[in-house]
Amino acid sequence: EAQVTQNPRYLITVTGKKLTVTCSQNMNHEYMSWYRQDPGLGLRQIYYSMNVEVTDKGDVPEGYKVSRKEKRNFPLILESPSPNQTSLYFCASSFWGAETQYFGPGTRLLVL
Amino acid sequence: DQQVKQNSPSLSVQEGRISILNCDYTNSMFDYFLWYKKYPAEGPTFLISISSIKDKNEDGRFTVFLNKSAKHLSLHIVPSQPGDSAVYFCAASGRGGSEKLVFGKGTKLTVNP
Repeated sequence: EAQVTQNPRYLITVTGKKLTVTCSQNMNHEYMSWYRQDPGLGLRQIYYSMNVEVTDKGDVPEGYKVSRKEKRNFPLILESPSPNQTSLYFCASSFWGAETQYFGPGTRLLVL
Repeated sequence: DQQVKQNSPSLSVQEGRISILNCDYTNSMFDYFLWYKKYPAEGPTFLISISSIKDKNEDGRFTVFLNKSAKHLSLHIVPSQPGDSAVYFCAASGRGGSEKLVFGKGTKLTVNP
């Protein structure tokens, strides 16, 4: 089944404790991206990757890191999480560019 | 500056009637527009798209209209069904396989039986 998977689905952590949210796709997509969804703000792009070893900032990259060492994986790293990073996070992928992206199920993060 | 605007946070319609969701954009470089549907506890799913070379695209009960001069697009759902109740996001991207997709804040549609 073609899909985008994210792990974990739910995470509670404390301020400053490094965490990684994994994202994997099995569709051989070139493009991958991370978004956060907050009430009243819609979906905002954090980082995106056009291909392996090619990443770039989205609209809200502060406090996040990403890497794209393999085509299928695009982990999101929070080196020192803060409460304002409490949010619902979505990973997405597409064949090319930003059109018609396929989204993962989401990761709900709570930073205390 | 919000480049893609969905000014109605919510919309309620009766089953069988038409639902019209609206979206405005400010960036004239946008040339590809999409609608995504999102159910609670799930990721957004692609619904329908339209290129700027068209003014209408239809897929079953869903039709998207684009008015480039007004920088406005709308999604029509006819007839509306209770299963259509979800949050709908409008999104836009620039020319030629752009790197970024800009989303609106979403409109929550409720279809009442």
